[in-house]
Amino acid sequence: DVKVTQSSRYLVKRTGEKVFLECVQDMDHENMFWYRQDPGLGLRLIYFSYDVKMKEKGDIPEGYSVSREKKERFSLILESASTNQTSMYLCASGLGGSGETQYFGPGTRLLVL
Amino acid sequence: RKEVEQDPGPFNVPEGATVAFNCTYSNSASQSFFWYRQDCRKEPKLLMSVYSSGNEDGRFTAQLNRASQYISLLIRDSKLSDSATYLCVEEGGTYKYIFGTGTRLKVLA
Repeated sequence: DVKVTQSSRYLVKRTGEKVFLECVQDMDHENMFWYRQDPGLGLRLIYFSYDVKMKEKGDIPEGYSVSREKKERFSLILESASTNQTSMYLCASGLGGSGETQYFGPGTRLLVL
Repeated sequence: RKEVEQDPGPFNVPEGATVAFNCTYSNSASQSFFWYRQDCRKEPKLLMSVYSSGNEDGRFTAQLNRASQYISLLIRDSKLSDSATYLCVEEGGTYKYIFGTGTRLKVLA
């Protein structure tokens, strides 16, 4: 079974703090993704990576950065957290290619005060 | 205009009923579509891919209508355990997966 793990299930941070969300997958997948999910808006892609050290902006990259130093690990960084970044953050991985299945981690529910 | 649109529901149906959801998309060039299931406070999981010829997996049938640009999911003989949110996903380009906001299904005893 594919396993995607995320470093925290729940996180509470203060405005202006730097926040690190980590994601690890164990299936040697090429692609990894970070989404945020908000009520009424669905999942929105923040960043994705198709290889080590490679990254591409998704639909809403502002206020976020990412790092992929190893194939199995994809980190999302909030340089200076703001209240509008309160959300559910979901990491996913996929084998690549058209029609790939995405495997999601359990999510991190982030509250920024 | 949102690229993938779904009726949010909830669809409340009795056990054993047949229920169908539709999802419309705007990019006529999109090639791949999926249905994911998301339980409350859990991550989405792939339910099934949607092929041009249709796809059936047990009680679940997915179909693609390119002329009208929608995909559908039919669930027969609903079970209590089918209660979840069903997300429609369009692969709009390389690495570009567009998620609908989901349709909530409640199966009632």
